[in-house]
Amino acid sequence: GAGVSQTPSNKVTEKGKYVELRCDPISGHTALYWYRQSLGQGPEFLIYFQGTGAADDSGLPNDRFFAVRPEGSVSTLKIQRTERGDSAVYLCASSSPGRGTEAFFGQGTRLTVV
Amino acid sequence: SQQGEEDPQALSIQEGENATMNCSYKTSINNLQWYRQNSGRGLVHLILIRSNEREKHSGRLRVTLDTSKKSSSLLITASRAADTASYFCATVKAGANNLFFGTGTRLTVIP
Repeated sequence: GAGVSQTPSNKVTEKGKYVELRCDPISGHTALYWYRQSLGQGPEFLIYFQGTGAADDSGLPNDRFFAVRPEGSVSTLKIQRTERGDSAVYLCASSSPGRGTEAFFGQGTRLTVV
Repeated sequence: SQQGEEDPQALSIQEGENATMNCSYKTSINNLQWYRQNSGRGLVHLILIRSNEREKHSGRLRVTLDTSKKSSSLLITASRAADTASYFCATVKAGANNLFFGTGTRLTVIP
């Protein structure tokens, strides 16, 4: 596709359930980022992949959060035992190889935990 | 954690006026970028300025960078109602590749 695609666009889940959020980056982009954004706040860094490996996962808030990118393209953010505080918009972005290039964002997944 | 902070948090101006937003950050950087976010979700890249640059222009946008003060400003000239959005600065730390965002400025341009 032409841009970064995130699915689903909206997800409502019950507290305690497991969810997976998917990100399809732009073809050829080796860097992939996950952020979450609460209302009125800036995007909060979660994890950054370079290829298949997580180059920096220091932003993951706790061990309920995990992300994979097994083939260096599509990435899945996994949240176990969801809590109401996990409700936010989860944003994915990708960028081309090389330091200091612009990031292209998807439209995000709005996660609501009830 | 946020790397930068923008100020003001909110700005309201008349169409045709200029809008200036400021960003301060904490660590040495490789580059600084500005993004725009309309109500909704996707962020759009506006402009990138490298640590060895002091000023950059793109259309009605002008960005300055002062690495000694660890600050940047975004100027939008001749604003339009369609410029209404939230604007975020984002930094790439020196020696790293990840992108850290500030807290944002909510700009409202009144027609």
